[in-house]
Amino acid sequence: GIQVEQSPPDLILQEGANSTLRCNFSDSVNNLQWFHQNPWGQLINLFYIPSGTKQNGRLSATTVATERYSLLYISSSQTTDSGVYFCAVVPPGANSKLTFGKGITLSVRP
Amino acid sequence: NAGVMQNPRHLVRRRGQEARLRCSPMKGHSHVYWYRQLPEEGLKFMVYLQKENIIDESGMPKERFSAEFPKEGPSILRIQQVVRGDSAAYFCASSPTGGATEAFFGQGTRLTVV
Repeated sequence: GIQVEQSPPDLILQEGANSTLRCNFSDSVNNLQWFHQNPWGQLINLFYIPSGTKQNGRLSATTVATERYSLLYISSSQTTDSGVYFCAVVPPGANSKLTFGKGITLSVRP
Repeated sequence: NAGVMQNPRHLVRRRGQEARLRCSPMKGHSHVYWYRQLPEEGLKFMVYLQKENIIDESGMPKERFSAEFPKEGPSILRIQQVVRGDSAAYFCASSPTGGATEAFFGQGTRLTVV
């Protein structure tokens, strides 16, 4: 099956710093989503981005499908950004089921 | 994603009991997916359902686990004779159609088996 690798596995930032989170995938995809799992365990949709670039406030994402990677940018980080960031993909013919990466644990310190 | 409702949020069961987890999809969504997050592991697909049909159950354990999505009412994930290894967070997601559409997740049910 498709492999999804996220890097770095852990990230510690000072409040106000910027960061880039990366997701590499081993095959073509029809769907790519980024999620934030907050410290209470909730999974929050960030972006649905199988290709192209999107922005939502301090967050933006870019997926280059032909090169099989996606990037999530966090600018001016806040302590509430802490948590685990997951990238998940659906390859063609996979019946809509998402394959998740292992996640990136982000800690933003005040 | 606040529209996908799961209950209960927390569930404690003794070994050997049954666990029933409920999921009501977002309004207008007829596709439901269940995922499991085990400690120290990522989120893994379990089953994909449409109303009254199981579309893909390739991620479901072969025994003790079952899922349904009846014509009326929520989708149910049922775990019979629970064991300690079933302790995990179980998430439900829904989408308006199948294929490459965006999926929205509920808050999850945290099952603890004692």
